[in-house]
Amino acid sequence: AQTVTQSQPEMSVQEAETVTLSCTYDTSESDYYLFWYKQPPSRQMILVIRQEAYKQQNATENRFSVNFQKAAKSFSLKISDSQLGDAAMYFCAYRIGYAGGTSYGKLTFGQGTILTVHP
Amino acid sequence: DTAVSQTPKYLVTQMGNDKSIKCEQNLGHDTMYWYKQDSKKFLKIMFSYNNKELIINETVPNRFSPKSPDKAHLNLHINSLELGDSAVYFCASSQSDRRWDGYTFGSGTRLTVV
Repeated sequence: AQTVTQSQPEMSVQEAETVTLSCTYDTSESDYYLFWYKQPPSRQMILVIRQEAYKQQNATENRFSVNFQKAAKSFSLKISDSQLGDAAMYFCAYRIGYAGGTSYGKLTFGQGTILTVHP
Repeated sequence: DTAVSQTPKYLVTQMGNDKSIKCEQNLGHDTMYWYKQDSKKFLKIMFSYNNKELIINETVPNRFSPKSPDKAHLNLHINSLELGDSAVYFCASSQSDRRWDGYTFGSGTRLTVV
């Protein structure tokens, strides 16, 4: 079974600084997708960034980028120029790449990391 | 024009009652899900439906019964509510042939059983 682990329950960063959130996963599959979701106090789940396992290039979305290390099964999120609005819970998630089977479409989440941004 | 809408947003009820949560998506997705977020914020899948067919049922007590009248709707009915059912329940949808898109989530329903 696939598992996702976020080993940092809480992280904090000063406004305008950079912070990295860690995520590791365990899978025997070669075709899969990885995601980072943000959950602010409003509890809405917002997709931040995604990575396809067969792409070596790390994904980037504005101030958000990932460091994807497939061999190490590591998928960290870097937030540059942190803003107060980045304060939220961040979830790493894994999804198998093919349709069918008992894992059909299933997103498996890590435990989450609470990010605090200090002004 | 909300993409995935859940009702109600808050639900407070007594132990032993039966309640339903409704979910609708207007994205044209063919797959819908129910997730439970517990008090420690852990998100765990409960059910998924693809084109009205149950695909995933993750060892959820049979007091929980999902119903999908069409591919745009997935409702969750809970019988004989227990204190441990208190949580936030999220509905989500996705398109099965666009797995790189992840899910679109509803805003969640906070269920409190007293």
